[in-house]
Amino acid sequence: GESVGLHLPTLSVQEGDNSIINCAYSNSASDYFIWYKQESGKGPQFIIDIRSNMDKRQGQRVTVLLNKTVKHLSLQIAATQPGDSAVYFCAETFAKNSSASKIIFGSGTRLSIRP
Amino acid sequence: DGGITQSPKYLFRKEGQNVTLSCEQNLNHDAMYWYRQDPGQGLRLIYYSQIVNDFQKGDIAEGYSVSREKKESFPLTVTSAQKNPTAFYLCASSAPLAGGREQYFGPGTRLTVT
Repeated sequence: GESVGLHLPTLSVQEGDNSIINCAYSNSASDYFIWYKQESGKGPQFIIDIRSNMDKRQGQRVTVLLNKTVKHLSLQIAATQPGDSAVYFCAETFAKNSSASKIIFGSGTRLSIRP
Repeated sequence: DGGITQSPKYLFRKEGQNVTLSCEQNLNHDAMYWYRQDPGQGLRLIYYSQIVNDFQKGDIAEGYSVSREKKESFPLTVTSAQKNPTAFYLCASSAPLAGGREQYFGPGTRLTVT
């Protein structure tokens, strides 16, 4: 069935180091994979997405990698800063000809930054 | 400033009462969504609406109702039929660009039912 899950619930990283957040998915039919960031007490914020026919996409200080062979998704954050502390959700969705998307969210990884 | 507002931030109700959560957006987005988030878990879709006067059930619609009479407003009613209503409720909207994958979220309403 459809599911998006994460390998680790928490991740602690030294400030300035790179962070790698991993995610496993099971539905090969997903068209897009998405990363959201949720700071404490706030709503999630879109970070980046990647289409299923791509294996890498870069944004500002973030890179998403997609390995369809092992159904694995990762988010890399370069030079992690205190402001990166949050819960990160991977999610999947299916492209369709409409203005709305049903997004299936994973359970999240909490990223904490050590000074 | 453009964005999504949800009110109130905290809401307390007695069991057996219906309660309506407000969601307003001034982003001129067609699509709007309601999610529920429980502690330590991801978001689960309750209802979504692609356009005014239209809405679709999400994965956990039982015990909830919505209306979409105006483009900018998408209120959610948590009815007494919802067995576990205590949760953090998030409203979101999206533009047609990117097919709704980039959703803009409000600050959420934390509902406690005792």
